[in-house]
Order: sequence, then structure tokens, then C-alpha cells
Amino acid sequence: QVQLVQSGPELKKPGTSVKVSCKASGYTFTTYAINWVRQAPEQGLEWMGWINMYTGNPMYTEGFTGRYVFSLDTSVSTAYLQITSLTAEDTAVYYCARHYCSGGVCSDFDIWGQGTLVTVSS
Amino acid sequence: EIVLTQSPGTLSLSPGERATLSCRASQSVSNNFLAWYQQKPGQAPRLLIYGASNRATGIPDRFSGSASGTDFTLTISRLEPEDFAVYYCQQYAASRTFGQGTKVEIK
Repeated sequence: QVQLVQSGPELKKPGTSVKVSCKASGYTFTTYAINWVRQAPEQGLEWMGWINMYTGNPMYTEGFTGRYVFSLDTSVSTAYLQITSLTAEDTAVYYCARHYCSGGVCSDFDIWGQGTLVTVSS
Repeated sequence: EIVLTQSPGTLSLSPGERATLSCRASQSVSNNFLAWYQQKPGQAPRLLIYGASNRATGIPDRFSGSASGTDFTLTISRLEPEDFAVYYCQQYAASRTFGQGTKVEIK
């Protein structure tokens, strides 16, 4: 069964960091890129960027640079999102989702993780 | 950046009725690389439609998508109780952007 399984909810204090994991199973991990999507409470979906599974190079969208780090550990088929210097505005559900690229053309997000709630509160 | 504008914000309908959701792009979406996702409370989004009109695996045929220029439409022919949810469009032709969502609620 193809799936992305994310780590559990996190409660963090302002100024600290969090690392969310996204473990893939049921397919060849390096065949698909992994995206990260943020959903603040009662808000819509914001695409944060993605990481290239072959090169390990991340691409961050505007608004998600500086404090955000996408990384991989291909040995355990897992992608990571790290956020540093957390503030209350980082409180959200974070999703990973995969897409496929071929010949420079990339697809929709066909499989999503279940989401990880990160709550930042003192 | 391609901006996607969804309308209406909320659609109030009864089970059995037809739902028509709109997604307008600020510029051309090449190859009609537009997807629709359904999100229920507390759940991750689920892919419904890709390439503007292709149903994803396991999606019932009451869901259909169409395109006309920069206007995209998701139609649910007869609403089932499980279809009441929020729907997002996404373009994946030039980077990625999402629309702001349309909530389909029970009237």
C-alpha cells in the first residue's frame, strides 16, 4: 500500500525548533519528490516547496525561506521538515505530499501524509 | 505566479443536488495542469481530478472536471452525504499554487 506516514503532534515553545518526519512506503522513495504544505487553523493550503529526491536539493517558495529546512534520509525512505525560531504564527498542520516528474514535467500531488499538527505556545 | 480564484466561497446544497464549483486562473495554465482536491475536517486533502478532467483512481464518476480557457469547473452530479467538504483547485503548470477553497455545506 502506497502511503506517507507523518510523525505525531508537537507542542513547542516559542523560539525553539521542530522537526517533522514523513516516511514513505509501498513505492520506490527516490522516484517521487516530496512537497510540504502548510494549513493554518481554519485556513487554506499553502505550498511551502519541495525536495528533489535525486539531488537532495530543496526548493522553498516565497515566505518559506530562512527558518525552514527540507531534508531526506533515503536509507529509511523519510523526508523531514525542520522549522527553527518558532512563533505562534507557525501553529498549523503540516502535510507532506508526493509528486512525480518526467521529462521536466511534474504531476499533481497524488498521495498525502495524514498531517502533523504543530502547536507553538508558551 | 498563477493566482487561482475559487467561487463561490460557500455552496449550500441538499443531498442529491448538483454542485458546480469554479476555479479561475489569472493566466493560462499550460496543458490544463489543474487538479482538484477534497478535504474533510481533520483529514488530509485527497486528489479527485488531475489534468482538469481526469478522475483519480477510485474517484466516483459523479465527480467530473472541465476546462474552458482559464476557467475550470468541478461538478458533482448528485451530492452524497460524504461529499460535503472543502474543495481546492491547484495548478501545477508553473510552480504550484492553490485556490482558497470552496466549502460545500448541507443546506
